[in-house]
Amino acid sequence: EADIYQTPRYLVIGTGKKITLECSQTMGHDKMYWYQQDPGMELHLIHYSYGVNSTEKGDLSSESTVSRIRTEHFPLTLESARPSHTSQYLCASSEMTGGQETQYFGPGTRLLVL
Amino acid sequence: ILNVEQSPQSLHVQEGDSTNFTCSFPSSNFYALHWYRWETAKSPEALFVMTLNGDEKKKGRISATLNTKEGYSYLYIKGSQPEDSATYLCAFILSGGGADGLTFGKGTHLIIQP
Repeated sequence: EADIYQTPRYLVIGTGKKITLECSQTMGHDKMYWYQQDPGMELHLIHYSYGVNSTEKGDLSSESTVSRIRTEHFPLTLESARPSHTSQYLCASSEMTGGQETQYFGPGTRLLVL
Repeated sequence: ILNVEQSPQSLHVQEGDSTNFTCSFPSSNFYALHWYRWETAKSPEALFVMTLNGDEKKKGRISATLNTKEGYSYLYIKGSQPEDSATYLCAFILSGGGADGLTFGKGTHLIIQP
């Protein structure tokens, strides 16, 4: 089982609050990702990182921001939560195995903004 | 925008029966196809990474085939068991992809009925 953790698992919060979703991995992986999944929809990449001090935006535009100060930690922040941010957020990290990249996912954070 | 289609969207199968479902993806600039199993309240778990046309991979009762020329992959489950109940996701990587992340389908939600 992959060692990648997300907290909180569930979060219900009011509009306008600042929130940070935590993601940590103990596998020493350089590459990390954040995906967003709205109900009944696909997972979409919103942020990724090649390593420390590297952050890039993914395919899906997001008002969230990320930081990568340490290899093992890739938090996602929403400065002012809105109901449209209600979704599931999954963090992943990856390694190369046999010339192919395998991504390992955390259990996700389900966010509900009231 | 890449389009990864999975069908059916959901599937009810009697315990002991075998089943299969499909992932369709763009056939040009193919790099790799991933299959994941995602059980409720758990992290998505990598099943297979497939790269070569005609590839067939097997893990216990689950196997997958790949046709990169026509852009599809099948996932087969032989002798379904209740623990196979999960959402099965396929994800596509374009040639030159990698840290840009995976493009996912919406998944096939499989329910095994005892």
